[in-house]
Amino acid sequence: DTAVSQTPKYLVTQMGNDKSIKCEQNLGHDTMYWYKQDSKKFLKIMFSYNNKELIINETVPNRFSPKSPDKAHLNLHINSLELGDSAVYFCASSRLSEAFFGQGTRLTVV
Amino acid sequence: SQQGEEDPQALSIQEGENATMNCSYKTSINNLQWYRQNSGRGLVHLILIRSNEREKHSGRLRVTLDTSKKSSSLLITASRAADTASYFCATDTLNRDDKIIFGKGTRLHILP
Repeated sequence: DTAVSQTPKYLVTQMGNDKSIKCEQNLGHDTMYWYKQDSKKFLKIMFSYNNKELIINETVPNRFSPKSPDKAHLNLHINSLELGDSAVYFCASSRLSEAFFGQGTRLTVV
Repeated sequence: SQQGEEDPQALSIQEGENATMNCSYKTSINNLQWYRQNSGRGLVHLILIRSNEREKHSGRLRVTLDTSKKSSSLLITASRAADTASYFCATDTLNRDDKIIFGKGTRLHILP
């Protein structure tokens, strides 16, 4: 049983396209996150949701729109993709500080 | 915003030696955690130390926390090839804003 699963694992797309990454957790956690890891391995928080409500939006361009249909899901939609969006995107969930991560989605914009 | 800063950025040691990684942070914290990331994988939680704790052990891992210096260290004893990975410290703050902030990580390479 995968605790935090995100799909797809790899995503290659052209500039200007719109794409979505899905995330689901079966841990019953209230808090979910999206992180972006760049080529230098720096892991930067993008969004935090608690019980489907947006808690944190860390100066992410509004081309990125998270959606939480229920507290087990936090999807990330990206409009008008740019070359600089190429990175690995990680979904995570947490309760009482410890975070559980998905395996990541490697997004390549060409 | 970035909270933690690991030091060194990269570390290579011989198998069997001890590896020490340090983390410094900027603001007051509630908890500090260490995570491991194997190449191409997600992060895995290793250990959590609360702000009122000074030292914690888990198997071959030893974590210390000095809140006066805003720093923590992770010691891996008797290193193994499987310990080769990146190690990140992460903090969550006292205002409990559901934000876990990661440092830049230390890339540890264990030489056979």
